[in-house]
Amino acid sequence: DTEVTQTPKHLVMGMTNKKSLKCEQHMGHRAMYWYKQKAKKPPELMFVYSYEKLSINESVPSRFSPECPNSSLLNLHLHALQPEDSALYLCASSQGLLANEQFFGPGTRLTVL
Amino acid sequence: GIQVEQSPPDLILQEGANSTLRCNFSDSVNNLQWFHQNPWGQLINLFYIPSGTKQNGRLSATTVATERYSLLYISSSQTTDSGVYFCAVGRIIQGAQKLVFGQGTRLTINP
Repeated sequence: DTEVTQTPKHLVMGMTNKKSLKCEQHMGHRAMYWYKQKAKKPPELMFVYSYEKLSINESVPSRFSPECPNSSLLNLHLHALQPEDSALYLCASSQGLLANEQFFGPGTRLTVL
Repeated sequence: GIQVEQSPPDLILQEGANSTLRCNFSDSVNNLQWFHQNPWGQLINLFYIPSGTKQNGRLSATTVATERYSLLYISSSQTTDSGVYFCAVGRIIQGAQKLVFGQGTRLTINP
């Protein structure tokens, strides 16, 4: 089973709202990732977690707050977003941190009004 | 940082045609993956191919790491092959693998 699940599929929020995106995998993978993809652009890395610890933060604004409560679950907490943050947010996982194949979830399509 | 260039950017073909997509990268890499992104945004793993040649049905891929390029071959195209094909290369940064994506090739297969 190479499935990564993400909820919700779609999310519309105002600039003053607080919301969270959820990602789950049950493949025993120890590394998890958040990517952001704007329309007609490639995905761009935001955060990397390894063994539930933050390994990489690609200078992401603090209005995006990641959390890894356990090895199967990754959250992205959103607060005071801007309309330009509207994008497809993709979660991925890999067995380990180094040179391993990454598997992606279906994404959450976020619209900020 | 590492540069990843894909060509062609757009490709329009008739059903049944064959195609070759190319990915060039500017530095040595630990990982190379090919993905197909469907119209709903799902990234589907096609190949994990840091080097060598692999085949899966009508698709095959070759990576020549020493010359810093990879090729994806699609034979006997079907309309369901339409979508964007991404090449992504991995490098170890700060003890973790960072995947950098090319701009993609948008493939349209007409019936």
